[in-house]
Parts: sequence; C-alpha cells; structure tokens
Amino acid sequence: DTEVTQTPKHLVMGMTNKKSLKCEQHMGHRAMYWYKQKAKKPPELMFVYSYEKLSINESVPSRFSPECPNSSLLNLHLHALQPEDSALYLCASSQADGISDTQYFGPGTRLTVL
Amino acid sequence: KQEVTQIPAALSVPEGENLVLNCSFTDSAIYNLQWFRQDPGKGLTSLLLIQSSQREQTSGRLNASLDKSSGRSTLYIAASQPGDSATYLCAVRLQGGSEKLVFGKGTKLTVNP
Repeated sequence: DTEVTQTPKHLVMGMTNKKSLKCEQHMGHRAMYWYKQKAKKPPELMFVYSYEKLSINESVPSRFSPECPNSSLLNLHLHALQPEDSALYLCASSQADGISDTQYFGPGTRLTVL
Repeated sequence: KQEVTQIPAALSVPEGENLVLNCSFTDSAIYNLQWFRQDPGKGLTSLLLIQSSQREQTSGRLNASLDKSSGRSTLYIAASQPGDSATYLCAVRLQGGSEKLVFGKGTKLTVNP
C-alpha cells in the first residue's frame, strides 16, 4: 500500500472561518510534509515533520498551524486565511530512513478562500 | 541557493515518438533527484528516484539519468502514449540531512493520438 489520503478533496471557507485539512498514511513512514501549489507552479514546501517532530517550517504565516498527532496522521489547521491562500494543498510522506527517500504524495485538497 | 530548471516548458509529440525531458540544477551537492508526473488538479506520482551516487534508473518505458558534476538529469520516455500526457516535474533533495525538495517548474507533455 503506497497510498496517502487527504480529506476533504475540496474546501471553501471564508476569511473568518477555522478549518482543518487531514492527511493519513499507513506505510510506516516517519516523515510527513505539507506543500502548497498554486496554479501552473511547482509545489512549495511548507512544513516537514520527522518522527512526529516539526523539523522544517519554511517561514509559513501563523494562520497555518500544523499538527502531527501520531506517526500516521498530519493535520493542517487553518484560521483567518486570505484569498491569496487559495491553492492545492498537498501532503506527502517518506520513510526517512536514509535508504528509501521517495516521497509519496496524496491527491491534495483544493482550497478556496472567499 | 539551489535552482532547478526544466526545459522545455511544454512539449507536444505524436504518439509512438521517443522523447527526452531535461532538468538542470545549479548546485551539484545534491542527495538525490526525483522525477514526478502530475495530472491536472491531482497530486504527484513518483516515477523514478536517482541517488547522487547513481547514474541512471529505469522503470518500464522510462529511463532517468543523472550527471551530478554537470548539474543535469534527463527523463527518457520510449514509445510515448496519449496516457503519458501530464506535467513532469523534477526535484532535487539537498545534501546535509534536510528532507526538503527543490522543484523545477515542470514540462507539460502532450502526446497526440
């Protein structure tokens, strides 16, 4: 099983809303990632969790708050977003064992901020 | 700062043709290089990963090569099919233990039946 699942597939929210994106993998991977992708652009790294600890934060605004409750789950909490935050949010995971470094991506959540 | 460039930005070929996609990077101190495909509005699918010590990797009709010293990688697709139509992205992972990938902007491939 090389599947990363993300929910919801689509999300529309107002600028005053609070919502969360969810990512799950059952491959035993110990690194999980959040990326943001705008139309016709490559993915941009936001956060990396390694062994359930935040290891990389690419200077992401505090209105985005990641959480890793356990090694299989990754959440992204959203609050007071701006319309320019509308994008495809991708989750990925990898083994992080120094042997197999392939990152496996989920299908993404299409976020629209009104 | 590592920069990754992909040429061409778009490519249209007839079905059955063999083709090459190019990727170049400015800093040769990479840990590995990964090729992905992305269908419109979808996530990324990993195609091939080449470690910095390797020269090439093959999977089916795909062959990826890596010349770290010159900062180049190519993705060769043999006997292209309409189902190969997608955007192809290359990404390098930096040395030093960071899991961060630096992506190119991609090549949009269209294979015409």
